[in-house]
Amino acid sequence: QVQLQESGPGLVKPSETLSLTCTVSGGSINSYYWTWIRQPPGEGLEWIGYIYYSGSTNYNPSLKSRITISVDTSKNQFSLNLRSVIAADTAVYFCARVEVGRYKWGFDPWGQGTLVTVSS
Amino acid sequence: QSALTQPASVSGSPGQSISISCTGTSNDVGGYNFVSWYQQHPGKAPKLMIYAVSNRPSGVSNRFSGSKSGNTASLTISGLQAEDEADYYCSSYASSGTLVFGGGTKLTVL
Repeated sequence: QVQLQESGPGLVKPSETLSLTCTVSGGSINSYYWTWIRQPPGEGLEWIGYIYYSGSTNYNPSLKSRITISVDTSKNQFSLNLRSVIAADTAVYFCARVEVGRYKWGFDPWGQGTLVTVSS
Repeated sequence: QSALTQPASVSGSPGQSISISCTGTSNDVGGYNFVSWYQQHPGKAPKLMIYAVSNRPSGVSNRFSGSKSGNTASLTISGLQAEDEADYYCSSYASSGTLVFGGGTKLTVL
């Protein structure tokens, strides 16, 4: 079955750019939407944005000015860049597939998540 | 967009039923039948439990059910079991094609 794995630095300095990649295995990235979601320690889930395999995107309005989500179909990967990070961006970052057809905008499956800490 | 409103916590005894509400607006929950519910155990990734308001993915127990009335969706868990103790989140498709989560509800099985 399809599995997702996040990768990237676990520590980012304030004002720098957080960059994460999600690798999709066991299936193709084509014909699906893919999303990033984050969860600050002890807090709830926040939707960051999604990308269609063709490259079209939609972002959370509260983060839109700082984020870029991109896709590399040749590598079966999609990526998140979050610019000008601050301590409040410290969170576990999850990637997931958006099942528009089958689950009507439900997220499944999910990656295991990766903790990114913003600190100098 | 604002987060959907969920109660911070609910509790119930084994065998009982509980419900968790998720209140939004006509721009999200009320406007679309695209409400999902997720279960998250500590240190784990969320798991899809309900999609499109009231549908269960394959493998999810039929003790979990969902409904919607107006701008409020609800998740009901019947026959509570110890393993149901977890955090639960609702999400909804919203206008402009965005998505939004609820603040989360901690379920305690007494």
